[in-house]
Amino acid sequence: KNEVEQSPQNLTAQEGEFITINCSYSVGISALHWLQQHPGGGIVSLFMLSSGKKKHGRLIATINIQEKHSSLHITASHPRDSAVYICAVSSSDKLIFGTGTRLQVFP
Amino acid sequence: DAGITQSPRHKVTETGTPVTLRCHQTENHRYMYWYRQDPGHGLRLIHYSYGVKDTDKGEVSDGYSVSRSKTEDFLLTLESATSSQTSVYFCAISTQDTQYFGPGTRLTVL
Repeated sequence: KNEVEQSPQNLTAQEGEFITINCSYSVGISALHWLQQHPGGGIVSLFMLSSGKKKHGRLIATINIQEKHSSLHITASHPRDSAVYICAVSSSDKLIFGTGTRLQVFP
Repeated sequence: DAGITQSPRHKVTETGTPVTLRCHQTENHRYMYWYRQDPGHGLRLIHYSYGVKDTDKGEVSDGYSVSRSKTEDFLLTLESATSSQTSVYFCAISTQDTQYFGPGTRLTVL
């Protein structure tokens, strides 16, 4: 079993829909990261959080330390949000990654 | 992007040849990492460094070595490339707040 599990693996949405991507982990962590990777592109850090909730524009990330679970929400989704979203946890100076959620948003 | 560059960006090589990938940063960050990214596996840690001449292995370190003689450069060497090392390689640095990734190197071993 992977130490970081994401769901769903693939997600399609119509423009404007509210999107949720989930991440569960099984190890002790100091922080959790959400990353974005566009097709053929580099990897960009969206959020790093260790408790509570963070918001940046249309993106919201939450974490529940007791339940070892995090969610990434995208409000009013847009085709430019189409990308792979990766959850990663910081554990012992290293990151452990989920396998990513591929999101496609259609106009 | 914390001034991270990788070179080369693309490389095709033959089985059995040595290959060195370079990661360069301009902001004196202490921690640097090498990952590989493969379909179905996500990103996996190869080696990391926590200072000049201080390195440690990750989960997929077999067949790879690293060196860090200067703060700004972290080199990844494939001692004798194999087809299973065909992958996209990412370098990263970490700060207190986030991780920054380089643009990646696409390596093909024929």
